[in-house]
Amino acid sequence: SQTIHQWPATLVQPVGSPLSLECTVEGTSNPNLYWYRQAAGRGLQLLFYSVGIGQISSEVPQNLSASRPQDRQFILSSKKLLLSDSGFYLCAWSQGQGLSPLHFGNGTRLTVT
Amino acid sequence: KNEVEQSPQNLTAQEGEFITINCSYSVGISALHWLQQHPGGGIVSLFMLSSGKKKHGRLIATINIQEKHSSLHITASHPRDSAVYICAVRTTGNQFYFGTGTSLTVIP
Repeated sequence: SQTIHQWPATLVQPVGSPLSLECTVEGTSNPNLYWYRQAAGRGLQLLFYSVGIGQISSEVPQNLSASRPQDRQFILSSKKLLLSDSGFYLCAWSQGQGLSPLHFGNGTRLTVT
Repeated sequence: KNEVEQSPQNLTAQEGEFITINCSYSVGISALHWLQQHPGGGIVSLFMLSSGKKKHGRLIATINIQEKHSSLHITASHPRDSAVYICAVRTTGNQFYFGTGTSLTVIP
């Protein structure tokens, strides 16, 4: 069966510190991978998506970056966190196009202090 | 203007009531998704549909492609249905757009 793992579940980091959130998918190959951020009371904002290894598209200019070193691994990073980076981060995957469900990880609640 | 608009933003219902959440979209889509986000933050997919109607237990989702509108219905609502319900569309260009969600509270 297909599963998605995202960690850590919660994270408290000081301003200026680095960030690394990891997401892995099991049970499928060549998934489309997504990083979303959900601010309090707001909808999901697409940060990055990837259709293959090393292929990253950025939707929002910011101090975050993403990498896909392996087919089923997606990493969200920052060199220096800002207070405004606080939020709920969700990794998701889907297969191909059209009628393919979107599967979410359990999310990471990031608080930058 | 957002590509996906949901209404209402907040909804409080008494246990047993019939609930409807609406979603309108403005882009060409290949599929529409209804998602449920629990208080802990996890999101699960309820429905994925491109036409007609789907039913799963007490949940029913409908879509009208011509009118670019979808509804999620919950029959005989229960407190455990309390969650945020999110409408999302997958465009023909393979992008996902999300509504801001409807926060549902069902009171015993």
